Order: sequence, then structure tokens, then C-alpha cells
Amino acid sequence: QSALTQPASVSGSPGQSITISCTGTSSDVGAYIYVSWYRHHPGKAPKLMLYDAIKRPSGVSDRFSGSKSDNTASLTISGLQAEDEADYYCASYTRSSTWVFGGGTKLTVL
Amino acid sequence: QVQLQESGPGLVKPSQTLSLTCTVSGDSMNSGSYYWSWVRQPAGKGLEWIGRIYISGTTSYNPSLKSRVTISVDTSKNQFSLNLSSVTAADTAVYYCATYDYVWTNAFEIWGQGAMVTVSS
Repeated sequence: QSALTQPASVSGSPGQSITISCTGTSSDVGAYIYVSWYRHHPGKAPKLMLYDAIKRPSGVSDRFSGSKSDNTASLTISGLQAEDEADYYCASYTRSSTWVFGGGTKLTVL
Repeated sequence: QVQLQESGPGLVKPSQTLSLTCTVSGDSMNSGSYYWSWVRQPAGKGLEWIGRIYISGTTSYNPSLKSRVTISVDTSKNQFSLNLSSVTAADTAVYYCATYDYVWTNAFEIWGQGAMVTVSS
């Protein structure tokens, strides 16, 4: 299985909005709503930010939102803050009953 | 609240078997709706799903690693383990254990802090 495709890096200024895309195939992202997003600060445990493509776990800021269309899912962060600077990964369940992650996107807050 | 902690050798020789254990605290592995999973991150690279196990012992593995991976569970000790055989330098990575909630979120909800494993002679 191939990793989902994410941009290597994105950047934005404080207060701005950014969107990170996650492109898969009809066998993973396009097949299920089971797409999730994780924030990963180096040296720390990844943190779940969105699940079922659009839902936020309790405690996650409503500045984080998601969408999914066909084989592509997206994570949008509005009102960028310095603490948002991290690596972000998407993940999807697949038709093979396995899971696949994206290659990761480094978010820089300018 | 469930907490996870990885443990095991930080250095493994090439061709040998990497073995890690994840200890679950805060609740019994028999409660909850979890698959118990392993994920790794090679240096400078992204996250890679390794595999998962259910408390019944049923497993699912990443096809690219399937021939070398075994995940097992010991509910009496509230632990699950990863064995990766015939390791090479490419297996050098931070290894995370994580819970996958298959009922409420269908996502990797809780993660350990990670264990760095280096493959070198």
C-alpha cells in the first residue's frame, strides 16, 4: 500500500488560515469516512485532531476543521497560532482492512 | 484514561529480532473498543502503520512488513508486544504503540511516548 499524498510543507502567518490536503485512492480515502488527522510535535506523542474526516475529539479547538471529497481529504486550521507549528499526518482505513498514513506536512507559522 | 508505555532494547544488531512491549495502564485491555496497534517513524520520514491486534488475538499487518512482523497480546499482564525479525538499518525508527477505537472514532486515539530503536552492529 502506498502512503497517502500530502504536501511536504505549508506555511502561514498568525491569524491566517491554511489547508492541508491528503490524497489517496478509491481503496482508502475514497472508500470510507474513516480518515483521521494527527498533530505531531517532534519527540512527543502524536495527537488526534480530527476523525471521521470532519469530527473533532473533545478538547480540540474549533479552529480545526475537515472535509472530504472523493479521494481527497483536507484539514483546515483557521486563526493560526504559534502552537500550531508541527507536523500533520492524515490516516485512512483501507479496503484491505489495513491502515495507511500520509507522508506528513510540516506547518510553519511565520 | 488509558495510558501506554513502550519498553525494550534501544539497540538491535542487523539480522536480529526487534522486540518491544507496550504496557497499558489506567484500564483493562479487556474493556473498551480498541485495536492495539504499532506505528513507527523512521528518522526524517513519516508515520508508518505496522499492525494491530484485538484482544482475541486476531491480527492485521502492513503488507510491506507482514513477512517479518508478529504482534501478540497478554491480557493478564495488560501488555501487547511487537516482534520484527531480520532487521536492517531501514528499521531504525521511533516505535509507537497506540489504541485504535473501532467503535466511536475509528482513529488512533491514545499514543505512547515512543521508543527509539537503532539497528546497528
